Amino acid sequence: GIQVEQSPPDLILQEGANSTLRCNFSDSVNNLQWFHQNPWGQLINLFYIPSGTKQNGRLSATTVATERYSLLYISSSQTTDSGVYFCAVGTGGFKTIFGAGTRLFVKA
Amino acid sequence: NAGVTQTPKFQVLKTGQSMTLQCAQDMNHNSMYWYRQDPGMGLRLIYYSASEGTTDKGEVPNGYNVSRLNKREFSLRLESAAPSQTSVYFCASIRLAGSSYEQYFGPGTRLTVT
Repeated sequence: GIQVEQSPPDLILQEGANSTLRCNFSDSVNNLQWFHQNPWGQLINLFYIPSGTKQNGRLSATTVATERYSLLYISSSQTTDSGVYFCAVGTGGFKTIFGAGTRLFVKA
Repeated sequence: NAGVTQTPKFQVLKTGQSMTLQCAQDMNHNSMYWYRQDPGMGLRLIYYSASEGTTDKGEVPNGYNVSRLNKREFSLRLESAAPSQTSVYFCASIRLAGSSYEQYFGPGTRLTVT
């Protein structure tokens, strides 16, 4: 089955810094989403981005489907950005595969 | 508009006990999923329901059963709980978008099996 790898596994930032999180996948996908899991465990949709580029405030994401990767950019990080960021992909049908996540800690 | 709701939020079971986790959505979506999340890991799909009246196995279905009661509700049952089923369980509702989809998650149920 499809493999999803996220990097880095852990990231510590000073408040105000920028960062790039990466999601590589081993096969063609027709669905890709980025989620943020906050420290209370809640999963929040960030982007639905099977291809192209989207921006939402300080966050933006780019998926290059032909090269099988997606990037999540966080600019001017804040302590509330802390948590785990997951990439999840689908290859057709309804099954979804999650990556193991990038754990982000933003220091004040 | 409550989105996706799950009950209970927390549960402790003894090995061999049974229980049902409830999930409901008010977004009029056809499809719903059940996932489990173990510490330090991503989510793994247990079962999904593409539409009312249909259910299918996901990645880790053993030890679980599901019921799609109606369009709004999708329940997950543990018939004989085992310590390996200690996990956080998330329900998701799916908005179809052409040939693809977006997932909206409930708050989760934290289950401990002793």
